[in-house]
Amino acid sequence: DAGITQSPRHKVTETGTPVTLRCHQTENHRYMYWYRQDPGHGLRLIHYSYGVKDTDKGEVSDGYSVSRSKTEDFLLTLESATSSQTSVYFCAIAGGKYNEQFFGPGTRLTVL
Amino acid sequence: QKEVEQDPGPLSVPEGAIVSLNCTYSNSAFQYFMWYRQYSRKGPELLMYTYSSGNKEDGRFTAQVDKSSKYISLFIRDSQPSDSATYLCAMSASGGSNYKLTFGKGTLLTVNP
Repeated sequence: DAGITQSPRHKVTETGTPVTLRCHQTENHRYMYWYRQDPGHGLRLIHYSYGVKDTDKGEVSDGYSVSRSKTEDFLLTLESATSSQTSVYFCAIAGGKYNEQFFGPGTRLTVL
Repeated sequence: QKEVEQDPGPLSVPEGAIVSLNCTYSNSAFQYFMWYRQYSRKGPELLMYTYSSGNKEDGRFTAQVDKSSKYISLFIRDSQPSDSATYLCAMSASGGSNYKLTFGKGTLLTVNP
């Protein structure tokens, strides 16, 4: 998984609770991304980062915030989880000759 | 019209068959084209990366891009049961940062022994 880890790998939580997912890379790549993957929708970009403290929104950013205080860590926070945020969340990093994106193993989140 | 269209399948073939997977797109600005393979309950794995039109070959895999038709293909020769997975096409208009990938919804492939 190209030096990318995600934690936790599985989480079950209740509606209204805050949740933070962590992505950690050992590749020292500048670009990091959070996606969610849902049946019928495919992979959709939530937020991305192009450097420490530099982040921007993707196509499905409502209800999510991110932070990046170190090159190696990119955090995704659901301030108040809702059932519609039940999904599989993937982190990706961009590197290589053409800045190709490489994905982590995913976090399976269930909001009851 | 969706930006990227991909037949979801499922596609079932016998071992040894040639597999053709395809995506069409509507955004003529797309220049970078990728294919990812995703096994069940795993993250997507980059298989092929091509820029602009033409062919690229890597072992049993060949990626083709026809920008005039806005059509990309992935061919798998001598398919193996281990090729059973979901295949995702992805594309981008931007270069270096490649920050915004648009994905197809994936085609589920099963190769039967």
